[in-house]
Amino acid sequence: NAGVTQTPKFRILKIGQSMTLQCTQDMNHNYMYWYRQDPGMGLKLIYYSVGAGITDKGEVPNGYNVSRSTTEDFPLRLELAAPSQTSVYFCASSHEGPYEQYFGPGTRLTVT
Amino acid sequence: AQTVTQSQPEMSVQEAETVTLSCTYDTSESDYYLFWYKQPPSRQMILVIRQEAYKQQNATENRFSVNFQKAAKSFSLKISDSQLGDAAMYFCAYRSFQGAQKLVFGQGTRLTINP
Repeated sequence: NAGVTQTPKFRILKIGQSMTLQCTQDMNHNYMYWYRQDPGMGLKLIYYSVGAGITDKGEVPNGYNVSRSTTEDFPLRLELAAPSQTSVYFCASSHEGPYEQYFGPGTRLTVT
Repeated sequence: AQTVTQSQPEMSVQEAETVTLSCTYDTSESDYYLFWYKQPPSRQMILVIRQEAYKQQNATENRFSVNFQKAAKSFSLKISDSQLGDAAMYFCAYRSFQGAQKLVFGQGTRLTINP
């Protein structure tokens, strides 16, 4: 059982480049989330989804886009990368109800 | 909006001793969940313990227990018999009872275990 997988694990981008962070879960969870963790800080919510075709903004959505075409996948798109987007990105998923969120291993992104 | 505050950026404890990590939160909701997550150097987020606000009994998981004070909006984590493997960042998190189950995290406390 793979749980939540994220690719890539590491990436270096130049300012202005774009990329997509991939997230897949195999637990049939309806709820999926993207968080970012800046150095020495807690996680902040970027976007979330409560089911295929439904997405909404979190606390820090600027500079990002998401889509949710299937239950399993929830990619995060960075357009026109900026140094402020240097961070570690975590994807998470959960069932609806009093259940924990399961986290992926994270993607460390550096924008220079 | 809910907020979570961890006022101890760093803590250290001798191996086999007990340490308590503090967390306070602000909310106008009456039903919610509180969590402690552990993040070792591997970066993986690991759930340590969970507390439902409607339960008066404090949650316990082996060497980990919480002191949940709902009126004071306080949620501390006690680690007994500290082990070297407990060294990590610890995050307190809040989740509403209803809605999209989004987590609101504190800033974290770095715990060092001294042998």
